[in-house]
Amino acid sequence: EAQVTQNPRYLITVTGKKLTVTCSQNMNHEYMSWYRQDPGLGLRQIYYSMNVEVTDKGDVPEGYKVSRKEKRNFPLILESPSPNQTSLYFCASRNAGYTEAFFGQGTRLTVV
Amino acid sequence: GNSVTQMEGPVTLSEEAFLTINCTYTATGYPSLFWYVQYPGEGLQLLLKATKADDKGSNKGFEATYRKETTSFHLEKGSVQVSDSAVYFCALNYGGSQGNLIFGKGTKLSVKP
Repeated sequence: EAQVTQNPRYLITVTGKKLTVTCSQNMNHEYMSWYRQDPGLGLRQIYYSMNVEVTDKGDVPEGYKVSRKEKRNFPLILESPSPNQTSLYFCASRNAGYTEAFFGQGTRLTVV
Repeated sequence: GNSVTQMEGPVTLSEEAFLTINCTYTATGYPSLFWYVQYPGEGLQLLLKATKADDKGSNKGFEATYRKETTSFHLEKGSVQVSDSAVYFCALNYGGSQGNLIFGKGTKLSVKP
């Protein structure tokens, strides 16, 4: 089954404790992205990757890191989480061109 | 720049009512247009899409027509059900190198029995 898998689904952590949210896709897609969803703000792109070892900032990259060492995986790293990073996070992937994106189930992160 | 504007919610309807959620866009070139749906506690799922002017996307009783002259892609359904309660997002892909989709802010729909 074609899918994008994120883990964990729920995470509560403390300020400053490094964490990683994993994302994996099995569709051989070139493009992968991370979004955060906040009430009243919709979806905002954090980082994206157009292929292995090619990543770039989206609209709200501060406080986040990503890597793309393999085509299927695109982890999101929070080196020192802060409460303003409490949000619902989505990973997405798609092929190049005018194509639709496929989304993971989301990770609800709470930073206390 | 490229952008998507969709009607603010929330929208509350009775079962079997007619639904319209407006979406207009600004884009260079000829983008593809999408409607995504997010059910409570879930990720976004593609509901329908249209890739060129005058195309009509349809799925699960929902329809939207790509209108280039009015730069619109309004979502419609003739008779909504309680199970259609969700957040609906309009989005475009202009094929740019950034690789992202441009999303509207979402419209929450609640359908009452």
